[in-house]
Amino acid sequence: GENVGLHLPTLSVQEGDNSIINCAYSNSASDYFIWYKQESGKGPQFIIDIRSNMDKRQGQRVTVLLNKTVKHLSLQIAATQPGDSAVYFCAENIAGTYKYIFGTGTRLKVLA
Amino acid sequence: EAQVTQNPRYLITVTGKKLTVTCSQNMNHEYMSWYRQDPGLGLRQIYYSMNVEVTDKGDVPEGYKVSRKEKRNFPLILESPSPNQTSLYFCASRLTGGVVGETQYFGPGTRLLVL
Repeated sequence: GENVGLHLPTLSVQEGDNSIINCAYSNSASDYFIWYKQESGKGPQFIIDIRSNMDKRQGQRVTVLLNKTVKHLSLQIAATQPGDSAVYFCAENIAGTYKYIFGTGTRLKVLA
Repeated sequence: EAQVTQNPRYLITVTGKKLTVTCSQNMNHEYMSWYRQDPGLGLRQIYYSMNVEVTDKGDVPEGYKVSRKEKRNFPLILESPSPNQTSLYFCASRLTGGVVGETQYFGPGTRLLVL
């Protein structure tokens, strides 16, 4: 598969443990945030999103937390599985614009 | 199946030889966009389209052209490719063409090598 980032930070977790992936977003005017998962050889896949009027949003096994004070976003994956191994990156949409800013990503490795 | 498709998936070409990468979506989405992904960098937007016949430049439009003659198709054209356009390209679409926060759905990618 291709290298989406040669020197990505890597998070290694044991299967069954919880994972927390962090993202510092760049623009205080952003009001919509998305987490994507990218597996080797595939396009980014939507995981979960959150708007700036919320602090937390939960999906199936995933939770996104938003801290606007410090411009920080996190993705929590419960009971991490081998199929969760991928690169995860956040994206922000600047309010009132078509502009999306994408992070470079974190590689998640799930150890059996 | 709702999806964004791109063709070709892999392409090797030579400097200066015009090429087109096609993108098609079957979700009746108004907004479509093109990104390139390079090692160590986040996705960077090349061009986007809010609806048929409406397009605008993204962050890295130099060397690229697009057209949106039909709602479902958004081809990316490299009139005279150069080696610095070697990259992984993604097409994406989202439901509405307005300036609202919505997730984008991505195609599988086209890996381009310009010699």
